[in-house]
Amino acid sequence: GENVEQHPSTLSVQEGDSAVIKCTYSDSASNYFPWYKQELGKGPQLIIDIRSNVGEKKDQRIAVTLNKTAKHFSLHITETQPEDSAVYFCAASNSGYALNFGKGTSLLVTP
Amino acid sequence: GAVVSQHPSRVICKSGTSVKIECRSLDFQATTMFWYRQFPKQSLMLMATSNEGSKATYEQGVEKDKFLINHASLTLSTLTVTSAHPEDSSFYICSAMTSGGVYNEQFFGPGTRLTVL
Repeated sequence: GENVEQHPSTLSVQEGDSAVIKCTYSDSASNYFPWYKQELGKGPQLIIDIRSNVGEKKDQRIAVTLNKTAKHFSLHITETQPEDSAVYFCAASNSGYALNFGKGTSLLVTP
Repeated sequence: GAVVSQHPSRVICKSGTSVKIECRSLDFQATTMFWYRQFPKQSLMLMATSNEGSKATYEQGVEKDKFLINHASLTLSTLTVTSAHPEDSSFYICSAMTSGGVYNEQFFGPGTRLTVL
């Protein structure tokens, strides 16, 4: 089955700096890679996703890159703000099937 | 994005009782819904896949007689934790998958915090 590895497990940055979270996956059939933000006591919120037919996608301060050959994808958050502090999960799936989640990255943005 | 609700958001029950959690897709129809549980500071663990009108598919190690899943309509799936015990205390989260496209997005509910005394 699919195995998703996520690094780092914790990340602390100063407000205004960039944050990068990296994930690798094992199943070459995976073709959908979403990123979720989870705040304490809440359900995960989809913040950006990328399909296997593109290498990069950007939405304001958030971008995701995908390298299918190396089987890794990354989340980039620029100009971080304290409200970006949360746990971020990457996931991978073969469309139509359940998501396989990474273990999560706890991001802390300090003022 | 699409909206998924869960009810209740928090429930406390006595050991041995059963608890039902509802998951609803509010503005779209979901042929498939998923149930996850999450322990503190851990990732989401898939429990089962729920397809409308058919039996749920459970992940290895998840007792189907203990975690009853019903997906009676395209907007509602329920999870019933039967004869709950303290070790069933957890954060239960559902997700609903949009349908009709090649890549199907999943949208998550806000979760239900279950505490079994």
